[in-house]
Amino acid sequence: AQSVTQLGSHVSVSEGALVLLRCNYSSSVPPYLFWYVQYPNQGLQLLLKYTTGATLVKGINGFEAEFKKSETSFHLTKPSAHMSDAAEYFCAVSDLRSGGGADGLTFGKGTHLIIQP
Amino acid sequence: EAQVTQNPRYLITVTGKKLTVTCSQNMNHEYMSWYRQDPGLGLRQIYYSMNVEVTDKGDVPEGYKVSRKEKRNFPLILESPSPNQTSLYFCASSLSISGQNTEAFFGQGTRLTVV
Repeated sequence: AQSVTQLGSHVSVSEGALVLLRCNYSSSVPPYLFWYVQYPNQGLQLLLKYTTGATLVKGINGFEAEFKKSETSFHLTKPSAHMSDAAEYFCAVSDLRSGGGADGLTFGKGTHLIIQP
Repeated sequence: EAQVTQNPRYLITVTGKKLTVTCSQNMNHEYMSWYRQDPGLGLRQIYYSMNVEVTDKGDVPEGYKVSRKEKRNFPLILESPSPNQTSLYFCASSLSISGQNTEAFFGQGTRLTVV
């Protein structure tokens, strides 16, 4: 069985500061890993994903994440926070069979990112 | 435009009154799924469907039904809603590409309140 742990239900950073949202996973097989963003009153939008290959993955809006197998982590970072980054962020894991499809995603509990002016 | 459409976006109902939340996708996706989102719990899968007439339970199926009579539609049915089903519901769809990575597309969400 897969599971995802997101450390910190709320993270607050100043505008212009580094954003770091933590995600650790547990999976018996090498997983696919995802970060989704949810803006207020919106659905989920895929930020980035790791499947195979390069462990540093770049996504939209200047976000990136690094897959570290030894630490079972997939932390999300952005060098400089912008007010428009305020949203809920979800880390998710999927097995190879479903490949990130709608049938096989397991989500973390989410981290609410607050940007202080 | 490729999209997943849910209706209604907001619904307030009373305990025990049957309701249906519709979900439709225009991308010819085989896989469809329903999630509920609750504060502090993230998204939990209710039901999913791998194709027409093929559905299966997710992690929290109690109190819900689904059907998949057509590829594009995947309605969520609450036969006798209760207050603990007050939640934000999301429908998602994706292509079936076994063994390869794909992407789930999500609807805008349906906020349901059961009083």
